[in-house]
Amino acid sequence: DSGVTQTPKHLITATGQRVTLRCSPRSGDLSVYWYQQSLDQGLQFLIQYYNGEERAKGNILERFSAQQFPDLHSELNLSSLELGDSALYFCASSEELNYGYTFGSGTRLTVV
Amino acid sequence: ELKVEQNPLFLSMQEGKNYTIYCNYSTTSDRLYWYRQDPGKSLESLFVLLSNGAVKQEGRLMASLDTKARLSTLHITAAVHDLSATYFCAVADSNYQLIWGAGTKLIIKP
Repeated sequence: DSGVTQTPKHLITATGQRVTLRCSPRSGDLSVYWYQQSLDQGLQFLIQYYNGEERAKGNILERFSAQQFPDLHSELNLSSLELGDSALYFCASSEELNYGYTFGSGTRLTVV
Repeated sequence: ELKVEQNPLFLSMQEGKNYTIYCNYSTTSDRLYWYRQDPGKSLESLFVLLSNGAVKQEGRLMASLDTKARLSTLHITAAVHDLSATYFCAVADSNYQLIWGAGTKLIIKP
């Protein structure tokens, strides 16, 4: 157990629907990062939050949004889902970069 | 803009052999990370390299960092099947974001 908790582990939904992925960072970590990984692809950085505020944005679609709450957990909202959104979505957290990121186990999203 | 390039992207090798994965990056950084990912699984931190000349070893894996050459290597000694995985390097940019390489898929055959 890495200490980063992601729920749900698996999600199957239809095109056009909206889903919410949840992440609880490791205790003490203020930064949360969201990544998308399609089949056999690399990691695509989506967005970072630090202590409740958006810190950096990557290749995040307008249909996607995220937030970090006062208790530091984060949610990634994916709407108007398309088949191409099927992927593994990882959350990572960090305290400081001397230790890198700690990744959660991911949410596997399948859009049918 | 910091760019990170790994090579090779795919490597198939025999058990017992040695090989090296390379990670080049385009602008100055003194923080480099190696991660391992098994298929369909999460990423596991292997090494954190924070200074020029840093060398770290864990079992059959050894990582090093040359900040002057902007190069890190991940060396595999006497490979075993259990080391089959995808290996990613990541480099911290000036905004303390990690910029990721594309990953090296390593297959070790008995």
